[in-house]
Amino acid sequence: QKEVEQNSGPLSVPEGAIASLNCTYSDRGSQSFFWYRQYSGKSPELIMFIYSNGDKEDGRFTAQLNKASQYVSLLIRDSQPSDSATYLCAVINAGNTPLVFGKGTRLSVIA
Amino acid sequence: DGGITQSPKYLFRKEGQNVTLSCEQNLNHDAMYWYRQDPGQGLRLIYYSQIVNDFQKGDIAEGYSVSREKKESFPLTVTSAQKNPTAFYLCASSIPRGAGANVLTFGAGSRLTVL
Repeated sequence: QKEVEQNSGPLSVPEGAIASLNCTYSDRGSQSFFWYRQYSGKSPELIMFIYSNGDKEDGRFTAQLNKASQYVSLLIRDSQPSDSATYLCAVINAGNTPLVFGKGTRLSVIA
Repeated sequence: DGGITQSPKYLFRKEGQNVTLSCEQNLNHDAMYWYRQDPGQGLRLIYYSQIVNDFQKGDIAEGYSVSREKKESFPLTVTSAQKNPTAFYLCASSIPRGAGANVLTFGAGSRLTVL
């Protein structure tokens, strides 16, 4: 079973700070990496995806991928209380099988 | 607007009963998926289908069944063989290739409770 690991949290940050969410994966052949946000009782919604090593920025969000270290992270700049949610990391493993999800990190942004 | 519709939103089942969760999409996506989520847990794959009349088991298929008779529809039946079915069930769809491939669009979910 190919694993995707996340710290369950909660991760608490003050409003305006940078929140850093981390994810590691076990399949070295993994191809694509996704970050989803899930509010309590709701379905996940896509934040962004990344395929190549390095950084990818979209507004206040930056995804960072390091395939050599099998590590992907999500940075949220200028964190807002509305960012308080569970953040799910998901990976496409080798063979283009369906997304494998981590258990998620709960983020709490304190006003 | 295009999207995925799941019904019912809430469902209660007595032990020993089969129940069917509906999932319909008008996104013209080829691939559809069913995930299960338990409290404090990530999503676990039950079944997926990449084309009409074909589907594959995911990691936790035991006690569940699906059909894919139409591109738009992928219903999930929770059978009495599923010993602990209380969970949040999420249906999703995607295009399998090209730009945006494998980006999942989710329905609003169905919450099943066994009485």
